[in-house]
Amino acid sequence: GDSVTQMEGPVTLSEEAFLTINCTYTATGYPSLFWYVQYPGEGLQLLLKATKADDKGSNKGFEATYRKETTSFHLEKGSVQVSDSAVYFCAFVTSGTYKYIFGTGTRLKVLA
Amino acid sequence: DTAVSQTPKYLVTQMGNDKSIKCEQNLGHDTMYWYKQDSKKFLKIMFSYNNKELIINETVPNRFSPKSPDKAHLNLHINSLELGDSAVYFCASRSAGTETYGYTFGSGTRLTVV
Repeated sequence: GDSVTQMEGPVTLSEEAFLTINCTYTATGYPSLFWYVQYPGEGLQLLLKATKADDKGSNKGFEATYRKETTSFHLEKGSVQVSDSAVYFCAFVTSGTYKYIFGTGTRLKVLA
Repeated sequence: DTAVSQTPKYLVTQMGNDKSIKCEQNLGHDTMYWYKQDSKKFLKIMFSYNNKELIINETVPNRFSPKSPDKAHLNLHINSLELGDSAVYFCASRSAGTETYGYTFGSGTRLTVV
């Protein structure tokens, strides 16, 4: 069935370190891919998205590239800040469906 | 203005009680959702309504009953609350046909059953 696999956290980094959070998906149709971020005590916010193969989504210094051949959508940031500490969710939806499939979330902790 | 608002933000109640959580969106979206997030942050879809019609009804105990009086509102009523119902419940919305735009989430209702 449809699913998203994310790397388990927590991921702990020092400020200005490089971040990668891995995400792979299994989809029966052609998916649109998303990363959401959840800050403590808040709801999920859309961070970035990509809707077709080789598209790169980017926002707030975060990037992810839609890799159809490897069914992956890894999240990267060149230099993390303490304020990036949050839980990050990878997700997808296939065209014509109403249900988004979420990964289990990866907690990121950035230390000053 | 808050796009997707949920009330209450916190709810503490005893086992066996009946409670409701309300959700309202002012985005003009026609599809709304309820998700349950457990203590490990896992998100599980529960229900979805499109223009007041139930379109997703996952495997959820029938103690949970959604109600959509109009397309801007989706409420969740829970009967005979159990300890395992303790979680954060998120409402979300989007416009049909715009699945590539992503959801807009509310800030959540933290339900604690004691």
